[in-house]
Amino acid sequence: ILNVEQSPQSLHVQEGDSTNFTCSFPSSNFYALHWYRWETAKSPEALFVMTLNGDEKKKGRISATLNTKEGYSYLYIKGSQPEDSATYLCAFRTGNQFYFGTGTSLTVIP
Amino acid sequence: NAGVTQTPKFQVLKTGQSMTLQCAQDMNHNSMYWYRQDPGMGLRLIYYSASEGTTDKGEVPNGYNVSRLNKREFSLRLESAAPSQTSVYFCAIIRGQGVYGYTFGSGTRLTVV
Repeated sequence: ILNVEQSPQSLHVQEGDSTNFTCSFPSSNFYALHWYRWETAKSPEALFVMTLNGDEKKKGRISATLNTKEGYSYLYIKGSQPEDSATYLCAFRTGNQFYFGTGTSLTVIP
Repeated sequence: NAGVTQTPKFQVLKTGQSMTLQCAQDMNHNSMYWYRQDPGMGLRLIYYSASEGTTDKGEVPNGYNVSRLNKREFSLRLESAAPSQTSVYFCAIIRGQGVYGYTFGSGTRLTVV
């Protein structure tokens, strides 16, 4: 069982604020790092799949970076909006197995 | 969640009863997965199937069996349900050899009393 940690556990920000959270994972046997957005009463939806050290991905106001040598990834949200409220999950892939963090719950206050 | 269909959406079982959760995909992918979601625990892998006819244990397989009879369907069976199996269960497929990440089903909320 591998340890994938996400911080903070929860976050409340004002609309318009930018924010970021962290996913920490083992630095060995790395295959890929996934980020998912999970809205209440729905299923997780993939945001990014990152495979190379130094990868940076962007989708609208959301971006992510990856450091496989030190075992962390950051997810950034620029100018948070209420519709960004969700839990953000990361998943570390090694071989054919995935290990999920417990998520960061983001609430954006209008 | 187009492409991955899970049934049922909700189920209440008594301790000791059995049931099968069904998952079907119409995306012609090889790999299918069953996860459970518990508060504060994150998603944990129960079983996965890399291809038709093969299955492998994940992190928390005890108390479950799976069946991958064809490429399209991957079922999860609880032979004798226990309260510890109260959870939300998700079936998932991995698209494009992982390039696009998981596509999850809509989930099954199971309560064992």
